[in-house]
Amino acid sequence: NAGVMQNPRHLVRRRGQEARLRCSPMKGHSHVYWYRQLPEEGLKFMVYLQKENIIDESGMPKERFSAEFPKEGPSILRIQQVVRGDSAAYFCASSRGGSNQPQHFGDGTRLSIL
Amino acid sequence: RKEVEQDPGPFNVPEGATVAFNCTYSNSASQSFFWYRQDCRKEPKLLMSVYSSGNEDGRFTAQLNRASQYISLLIRDSKLSDSATYLCVVRAGDSSYKLIFGSGTRLLVRP
Repeated sequence: NAGVMQNPRHLVRRRGQEARLRCSPMKGHSHVYWYRQLPEEGLKFMVYLQKENIIDESGMPKERFSAEFPKEGPSILRIQQVVRGDSAAYFCASSRGGSNQPQHFGDGTRLSIL
Repeated sequence: RKEVEQDPGPFNVPEGATVAFNCTYSNSASQSFFWYRQDCRKEPKLLMSVYSSGNEDGRFTAQLNRASQYISLLIRDSKLSDSATYLCVVRAGDSSYKLIFGSGTRLLVRP
């Protein structure tokens, strides 16, 4: 009865490196969402994906950030050339369908940039 | 102006107290409303949905006022385990999948 699985739980990178965050949705879920939570703030929507498709990336920064959800394997959130301001908790959620379906969250990945 | 606004707190109350949190949202087209609970450094977990007629789940009561764009959560008989951050969440009016989170209200229940 595995829930949404995210890894790693903690990730430390130096400025300029790349960060890759992975998310495996709950069994039977084909819709994935990524949210970012800065310290002392609420979660902010980043991107919504279905298998092999990006449905809405309106919350993604225009540069350095990308996301994918391949046919096989987990969803990946990739941040290139990380900067200090990328330090945050990144949460993934999944749902069975898109519209009005409950979203179940993973434990998150805490990204720290040195 | 933030899309979902909450008093950050903290609310520091003794065990057994009744405490109420409020939340306002700016988009009148918002469709669905929720309260989530987030423990320190953990993921948000759905506490309850909020319906127009108001709804209750044990010690928790949620109310929605669409005219005022206002949501509330009442916790009766507070327990130590209720200590957490309570997030007011609105499903965006222009899409049925995007969740808009408030910054949260922190609750500390003391013995």
